[in-house]
Amino acid sequence: KNEVEQSPQNLTAQEGEFITINCSYSVGISALHWLQQHPGGGIVSLFMLSSGKKKHGRLIATINIQEKHSSLHITASHPRDSAVYICAVTGNQFYFGTGTSLTVIP
Amino acid sequence: SQTIHQWPATLVQPVGSPLSLECTVEGTSNPNLYWYRQAAGRGLQLLFYSIGIDQISSEVPQNLSASRPQDRQFILSSKKLLLSDSGFYLCAWSLISRDTQYFGPGTRLTVL
Repeated sequence: KNEVEQSPQNLTAQEGEFITINCSYSVGISALHWLQQHPGGGIVSLFMLSSGKKKHGRLIATINIQEKHSSLHITASHPRDSAVYICAVTGNQFYFGTGTSLTVIP
Repeated sequence: SQTIHQWPATLVQPVGSPLSLECTVEGTSNPNLYWYRQAAGRGLQLLFYSIGIDQISSEVPQNLSASRPQDRQFILSSKKLLLSDSGFYLCAWSLISRDTQYFGPGTRLTVL
């Protein structure tokens, strides 16, 4: 069993839809990260959070420490949001989810 | 501002050949440095991390080694590449351990 599980693995949405990607983890953590990997391979860090909620533009990340769960929301999705979204946690070690591949269709 | 460089961008190497991938960071001092690998269809795997010059920890046993000869230079090496070493190699840095990490553009390695 992986320490970090993401769902869904693949997601296709129509432009404008509200998108939610989920991340559950089973280890104690000091922080949770959401990363975005573009088709070319480059990775960008979107959020680092240890409690509550953070918002950046159309992206919102939430975390529930008690339930060991985080969600990444994208409002008014756009084709340029198409990417792989990776959840990672840092505790005693680094643990990564296998990613959610998002395709937004115009 | 801080920037991170990796080279080469792509590399095709025969099995048994040596490897040297270089990563440099500009605009910061004493960063934490990381090497990751992403095999085809797989998630990110942390290979090495370093909190200072000559202070390197290995996360998984493998055919690879890492060195940090200077504060902002991190090198990933192998004496003899295996087919299973193919993948996308990413270097990253952070100000402190477990903080937000900033990734380089990556090197796509194909071992034939």
